[in-house]
Amino acid sequence: EAQLLASGGTLVQPGGSLRLSCAGSGFIFSNYAMTWVRQAPGKGLEWLSAISGTSRSVYYAGSVRGRFTTSRDNSQNTLYLQMSDLRAEDTAVYYCAKSLRLPRCGAECYQADFWGQGTQVTVSS
Amino acid sequence: DIQMSQSPSSLSASLGDRVIISCRASQSVTTYLNWYQQRPGQAPKLLIYDSSTLQSGVPSRFSGSGSGTDFTLTITGLQREDFAIYFCQQVTGTPFTFGPGTRVDL
Repeated sequence: EAQLLASGGTLVQPGGSLRLSCAGSGFIFSNYAMTWVRQAPGKGLEWLSAISGTSRSVYYAGSVRGRFTTSRDNSQNTLYLQMSDLRAEDTAVYYCAKSLRLPRCGAECYQADFWGQGTQVTVSS
Repeated sequence: DIQMSQSPSSLSASLGDRVIISCRASQSVTTYLNWYQQRPGQAPKLLIYDSSTLQSGVPSRFSGSGSGTDFTLTITGLQREDFAIYFCQQVTGTPFTFGPGTRVDL
């Protein structure tokens, strides 16, 4: 059974940096694209970034491009989100999600079929 | 960026009801449209992908349809565990934007 454990969320000051991790287990990690999505308090879902299984393709939302970097270490079955220049509006629960693997797109499918429990990031002085 | 909208933003329903939620994209997403359910305090759960394909393990009372810019999620025979927020998401082009959500209340 697939499991995703997100960690690294904490209270950080504006302008600070933080790295989130998402450890996957129960599936062949490198076979699946992975996604980061966040949810501000009482708000909807905001797609942030996605990375293909081989890291060949990485995509970002405009709101985080240039400040956030998504990477993965398939040898450690771990996904990362490096965040810098953090702002109050980055306060949210951050979810990592595993994608489906479909014949037409393989490890470059981006339908997030299984989500971790989320980790809270609070940006405040 | 492709903008997603949903209607209604919230609805009240009763057990056993048929519920229809609409999702509209600002430009064609062909059939690359997902539906998610989020219960309070939980992570989202994929219900439907490719507009109408039911994700494994999802009850058959959920169904999806549509193509291009207009999509619907239908719940036939609402169960207690279905009271939640439903989001659509396009995965045609990045950013893979979500709709604002539809809250289904008792």
